[in-house]
Amino acid sequence: GAGVSQTPSNKVTEKGKYVELRCDPISGHTALYWYRQSLGQGPEFLIYFQGTGAADDSGLPNDRFFAVRPEGSVSTLKIQRTERGDSAVYLCASGVGLGDTQYFGPGTRLTVL
Amino acid sequence: AQKVTQAQTEISVVEKEDVTLDCVYETRDTTYYLFWYKQPPSGELVFLIRRNSFDEQNEISGRYSWNFQKSTSSFNFTITASQVVDSAVYFCALILYGSGNTGKLIFGQGTTLQVKP
Repeated sequence: GAGVSQTPSNKVTEKGKYVELRCDPISGHTALYWYRQSLGQGPEFLIYFQGTGAADDSGLPNDRFFAVRPEGSVSTLKIQRTERGDSAVYLCASGVGLGDTQYFGPGTRLTVL
Repeated sequence: AQKVTQAQTEISVVEKEDVTLDCVYETRDTTYYLFWYKQPPSGELVFLIRRNSFDEQNEISGRYSWNFQKSTSSFNFTITASQVVDSAVYFCALILYGSGNTGKLIFGQGTTLQVKP
């Protein structure tokens, strides 16, 4: 079956702009995670959804970052007033439930000029 | 606090050599999973293995093998007879799944493996 998909694959934006990154999880997976990976580092947790609700958003760096999953499937990560430090690869993963294997999408490479 | 340490930043071997990637983790929880993921140059994280904290049996899958030792909090990964296609960044990771946890992956810094022909 289809894996996790993310769009766009690349996003270049200017400092101060608003961006949206989309994640389409594996069908039937109720758990959805967002991570951010900076160059040369391991991915770092941002937010976790179980169904439609954000069960853990402790990894969001500040209030410029927000994510939604209104129907329990597709999720959108939203970043307001982007800063150069937001440049990274944003990864989405989905799984059946708590502790289950998380399957990752190809990521969105965000570059803030 | 929970932490995963991969002390080897980069390893370079010649094809057909065996190579072991080290992973040490820290947690006070007793219910957790350990993982290894592979990130080839294309960038997508590929799942390799998941191991429950209550299962210390070693596992072998083809040229890959994993050694889990709770006594030393280690979960090492060995590639036998390495191939050029094994060149990638390998991540060890930890999930806590007991009460109050949300299953987020805690990753190590990664080990870059280069296999030369």
